Amino acid sequence: GIQVEQSPPDLILQEGANSTLRCNFSDSVNNLQWFHQNPWGQLINLFYIPSGTKQNGRLSATTVATERYSLLYISSSQTTDSGVYFCAAGFGNEKLTFGTGTRLTIIP
Amino acid sequence: IAGITQAPTSQILAAGRRMTLRCTQDMRHNAMYWYRQDLGLGLRLIHYSNTAGTTGKGEVPDGYSVSRANTDDFPLTLASAVPSQTSVYFCASSEDPSGANVLPFGAGSRLTVL
Repeated sequence: GIQVEQSPPDLILQEGANSTLRCNFSDSVNNLQWFHQNPWGQLINLFYIPSGTKQNGRLSATTVATERYSLLYISSSQTTDSGVYFCAAGFGNEKLTFGTGTRLTIIP
Repeated sequence: IAGITQAPTSQILAAGRRMTLRCTQDMRHNAMYWYRQDLGLGLRLIHYSNTAGTTGKGEVPDGYSVSRANTDDFPLTLASAVPSQTSVYFCASSEDPSGANVLPFGAGSRLTVL
């Protein structure tokens, strides 16, 4: 199956800073999603982005499928952005495989 | 409010006991999934169902069983719980069985097996 690696594993930033989270995957994908798990454990879907670029407020994501990576950008970080960000990838009938996440801590 | 409901929120269970985690969705999604989340390992797929009446095995199915008698419900059963099944369990659903597009998750069920 697909292998999904995320970097960095941990990131600590001051409020207002920008950040880039990376997701590398080992094979072709037609399903790529980013999730945020808040400090209370709730998982929220951020983007479905098997290719191209999408933006939603301060968050945007880009997937370059031919080079097997996806990036999640967070601009002007807020303390509410803290939590763990997961990337998940899949192809065809294979179900999503999750990476181990990037833990983001925003300091006021 | 449309979404996924999981129960119980948390449970402490003696080893060897039987336990069923419940998951109900009201979005009429075709596919449903059970994941477990363990520290440092991310989320791993236990079982899935592409449509009512069908189920399939995920990455870590041993010790678990599921059923999908109707579209809305997808219970996960531990026939004889063991301490290694201590974890947080998440249920999810998708309209498309391929999992494409938004994948809403339930709030999770924290299970401790002693």
